[in-house]
Amino acid sequence: KAGVTQTPRYLIKTRGQQVTLSCSPISGHRSVSWYQQTPGQGLQFLFEYFSETQRNKGNFPGRFSGRQFSNSRSEMNVSTLELGDSALYLCASSLAGLDEQFFGPGTRLTVL
Amino acid sequence: KNQVEQSPQSLIILEGKNCTLQCNYTVSPFSNLRWYKQDTGRGPVSLTIMTFSENTKSNGRYTATLDADTKQSSLHITASQLSDSASYICVVSRGGTSYGKLTFGQGTILTVHP
Repeated sequence: KAGVTQTPRYLIKTRGQQVTLSCSPISGHRSVSWYQQTPGQGLQFLFEYFSETQRNKGNFPGRFSGRQFSNSRSEMNVSTLELGDSALYLCASSLAGLDEQFFGPGTRLTVL
Repeated sequence: KNQVEQSPQSLIILEGKNCTLQCNYTVSPFSNLRWYKQDTGRGPVSLTIMTFSENTKSNGRYTATLDADTKQSSLHITASQLSDSASYICVVSRGGTSYGKLTFGQGTILTVHP
C-alpha cells in the first residue's frame, strides 16, 4: 500500500507570491490534515479536511487555505507569502477521525 | 492553557545505551497521548498511542509510560541504535473527532553516537 505522498518536496518562492502544495492520502483514507513545522514553533495544526469539507481549522491567517477533492487528495494554498512562512509543511491522512495518522514526507518551502 | 513540555531539548548518547525522554502536559480534558519519531527530512511516524487507562505500552525497544494523575509521560529507549537518532515528539489529544484538538510538544532531538 503506498504511503502519503506530497508534491513538490522542495519549493523556493519570493515574498508576495503564492504557492500550492499537494497531498495524496493513503488509499481509503478520507481525512487529511495539514501542519506547519518550524524550528521555533514546532508542529502546528493548519486544518483538517474530511469528505471534501473542512472539519477544523487552526490559528493561522486567511492567507492559508485548502481544499479536498472527491478522491480525498488535498491541496493547500498560501497567498501573499511572507518570510515567516518558510517551513516544512506536512500532510497526514487517516481513515476517518482521530485514529492513527500517517504523515507524508513534507514539502520544504523557502520564502526569499 | 493547553501545553506540552518535553525534556531534554536534546540528548546525546552512545550506541547501546538506554535513555528516557520526558513529556509533561497540562492539556485538559485528556483523551490520549502519542509519541512520534521524526527522522531528519521525513514526516513523523507513530510509536505509541496511550489512553487514560493505559500505564505502559511497548513497541519493540521503545516503551512509553503514562501517569495521568501527574500528567507525565516518558519514552524509554533500550539498547539504542544509530537509527534511533531522530526527533521524538509528544502529542496530547483533548478528544473529540478533530485534529484541531491535538497539542504538540517541541520535541527532543536524540543523537546516538557509535
